[in-house]
Amino acid sequence: GAVVSQHPSRVICKSGTSVKIECRSLDFQATTMFWYRQFPKKSLMLMATSNEGSKATYEQGVEKDKFLINHASLTLSTLTVTSAHPEDSSFYICSARAAGGPADTQYFGPGTRLTVL
Amino acid sequence: AQSVTQLDSHVSVSEGTPVLLRCNYSSSYSPSLFWYVQHPNKGLQLLLKYTSAATLVKGINGFEAEFKKSETSFHLTKPSAHMSDAAEYFCVVPSGGYQKVTFGTGTKLQVIP
Repeated sequence: GAVVSQHPSRVICKSGTSVKIECRSLDFQATTMFWYRQFPKKSLMLMATSNEGSKATYEQGVEKDKFLINHASLTLSTLTVTSAHPEDSSFYICSARAAGGPADTQYFGPGTRLTVL
Repeated sequence: AQSVTQLDSHVSVSEGTPVLLRCNYSSSYSPSLFWYVQHPNKGLQLLLKYTSAATLVKGINGFEAEFKKSETSFHLTKPSAHMSDAAEYFCVVPSGGYQKVTFGTGTKLQVIP
């Protein structure tokens, strides 16, 4: 149980284009989903927290117009990287907190490797 | 505020020897604590979780961790390293009123045949 999927697992795009990454909770409902970014050989950095049906809360220094987050249902959140540039290349990981589950526990997706040429 | 410090960025052990990955936490109360493992280009897998029910926590793949309040530590151990254990390990603590989690900087475990 508590499986989180991400799609795509890997994406390569041209500079200036937009890329959408999906995060799904497969066997549970997620009231809250989180988006992280991981630079090579670094730890995970929280980008934003999204609650179903409301606007995402972005961490300091994260451009909300650059990284659009939508949490339209209890099992799906999307991250859209708009007008991507090579510096946006990174490993993006989402996580989800189960509705009614332990507040301190997040279930992580397998990550999406974004490469911007 | 809750935080964790992973004392070693890189640990190298020989296959079949014990593993010790160190984590110290900072908290005004006994927190929940987690260890996650990340294999290359993969997502994070939960190894184990401490919730105050027992100070010695057993996880998957033969790993365990002991919560020591007096030392504010939550070190991860395994009696005998396997080649498949080579990965990045993260010590994690809930933060922001349990709305978020804070990751340690990670420890890369290398297992030498």
